[in-house]
Amino acid sequence: GAVVSQHPSWVICKSGTSVKIECRSLDFQATTMFWYRQFPKQSLMLMATSNEGSKATYEQGVEKDKFLINHASLTLSTLTVTSAHPEDSSFYICSASLPGGYGYTFGSGTRLTVV
Amino acid sequence: LAKTTQPISMDSYEGQEVNITCSHNNIATNDYITWYQQFPSQGPRFIIQGYKTKVTNEVASLFIPADRKSSTLSLPRVSLSDTAVYYCLVELKGGATNKLIFGTGTLLAVQP
Repeated sequence: GAVVSQHPSWVICKSGTSVKIECRSLDFQATTMFWYRQFPKQSLMLMATSNEGSKATYEQGVEKDKFLINHASLTLSTLTVTSAHPEDSSFYICSASLPGGYGYTFGSGTRLTVV
Repeated sequence: LAKTTQPISMDSYEGQEVNITCSHNNIATNDYITWYQQFPSQGPRFIIQGYKTKVTNEVASLFIPADRKSSTLSLPRVSLSDTAVYYCLVELKGGATNKLIFGTGTLLAVQP
């Protein structure tokens, strides 16, 4: 089946540094990918939609300059959390739309802890 | 995008059948109903999808009445490993470039 690989699975960084999270579609081409953030005991919150070769579309309230999204190829989208602060600590999950528009598959998530 | 409403939590015991109901009053004609399962610190996993009546696969059944304003996920003979959060979503078929919005989900706790 269609698999999305997300890396790293967890990361700890110092406040003020930047962290990059990768999301790769392993056996299919993902024209559209999505990035979510999930705080403890809460649901997934959509941050942005990224389309290959174009700028990402951010949800209201999500700072595009802080959460940089790049979708330069049909198999890779990256999320960079710039100048991370403790309040950015969260579980970040990527998702990709399946070919033909028939459903979505999700990465395994990245636990970001900013200290 | 149709909003979904489901119970925040449910409790069950091993071996029981669990039914989780979701309401989606504003579902559109071209929308499908999909259920996902999420374990702690993992991404959501597809369980089942349907449009109307009944759909069954190796892990669950999905019941959708004629008006499609609600749906029920049925998990037969649950085990401890079925403890997870279950999300009901409405998706536009063939429109997976559309964003997928998650509701609160239902935390199912299965006890011995």
